[in-house]
Amino acid sequence: NAGVTQTPKFRVLKTGQSMTLLCAQDMNHEYMYWYRQDPGMGLRLIHYSVGEGTTAKGEVPDGYNVSRLKKQNFLLGLESAAPSQTSVYFCASRMTGNGQPQHFGDGTRLSIL
Amino acid sequence: DAKTTQPPSMDCAEGRAANLPCNHSTISGNEYVYWYRQIHSQGPQYIIHGLKNNETNEMASLIITEDRKSSTLILPHATLRDTAVYYCIVMDSNYQLIWGAGTKLIIKP
Repeated sequence: NAGVTQTPKFRVLKTGQSMTLLCAQDMNHEYMYWYRQDPGMGLRLIHYSVGEGTTAKGEVPDGYNVSRLKKQNFLLGLESAAPSQTSVYFCASRMTGNGQPQHFGDGTRLSIL
Repeated sequence: DAKTTQPPSMDCAEGRAANLPCNHSTISGNEYVYWYRQIHSQGPQYIIHGLKNNETNEMASLIITEDRKSSTLILPHATLRDTAVYYCIVMDSNYQLIWGAGTKLIIKP
């Protein structure tokens, strides 16, 4: 099973450039999430979605936008990349229902020069 | 802020049981406790979760105290491949996982 797939796995950008990170899940999960993880720290929630066509802000949403046009895909966009956005980005998804765990992709390592 | 407290690091001998503690004294009655681990910089791997009762699966056991203010993750026969950062997480009222810094578990041969 593919589970949660993130593309690309690595990317280097220059300050001011834009890009989109793609998350795809094949488990028919309603909920999807985008996190960032900085060295030595836990994950911080950027944005999340509780279903197709809906998105909401997490703990650290500034500088990012998201879209959930299809249930299986959740896109994270950086309109004007900044060095502070250098991080590892993780996507997760989960089923509806109390207590359902989140399942994660392998991450995208993004460097902003 | 993270709703859990974990020791920053622990050691365990290979083949022994690894017991990882977690305090979550402010947990609400309907909040679950989740355990994940992260090996190197890979994506977090789900291990186990529970609400009130103790839980066991093929990876680990989760022991939750009766007052639910703390829990312990038990890896029954630790191997070198269990070396990782282990996160104990309580889901908040918006169904969001709030992550702390976790416990770095080192399995020694």
